[in-house]
Amino acid sequence: EVQLVQSGAGVKKPGESLKIACQASGYSFTRNWIGWVRQMPGKGLEWMGIIFPRDSDTRYSPFLQGQVTISADKSSSTAFLEWRSLKASDTGIYFCARLNGYIDSWGQGTMVTVSS
Amino acid sequence: DIQMTQSPSTLSASVGDRVTITCRASQTIGTWVAWYQQKPGKAPNVLVYKASTLESGVPSRFSGSGSGTEFTLTISSLQPDDFVTYYCQQYDTYPWTFGQGTKVEIK
Repeated sequence: EVQLVQSGAGVKKPGESLKIACQASGYSFTRNWIGWVRQMPGKGLEWMGIIFPRDSDTRYSPFLQGQVTISADKSSSTAFLEWRSLKASDTGIYFCARLNGYIDSWGQGTMVTVSS
Repeated sequence: DIQMTQSPSTLSASVGDRVTITCRASQTIGTWVAWYQQKPGKAPNVLVYKASTLESGVPSRFSGSGSGTEFTLTISSLQPDDFVTYYCQQYDTYPWTFGQGTKVEIK
């Protein structure tokens, strides 16, 4: 069974850094793209970016403009989403997702709260 | 980016009703569309992919259709568990994009 298990909720102050994780199991991690999707409070779904773990080919959505870094560690079958300097507007739920063209599996989501 | 315009944003209906949600793409995307259902506080789950293929385990009251720029998700007979939010998504051209969502409410 394919499973994506995400790291727990984070509460940070503006300007702090954060790295959240998504550990995959039940399939060969290097065979599928992994994506990150955000959902701001009370809002819809937005693509952030995708990574192909076999060669770390990464693509970001244009609106992010270098605000985050997506990476993957093949040895632990884990994908990461990292912020160097958080803003209050980064508050939301972040989902990782396995791509089979469409999204066929989702992580449970990680709630990120950024507040002074 | 390809825009996915989903309508309506809110839909009021009763148990047993047949409802249809529409997505229009800003350019032709073949049949590279998926539909997801999201319950409050949970991750979404795929219902339909490639415009009309039902994901394994999804009840047959859900169906998808369309190609090119017009796509629909139909629920043939609403059940109590179906009063949640639905999203379309195109995966023809990166960046993939979602529709704005449709919340199905009890009338």
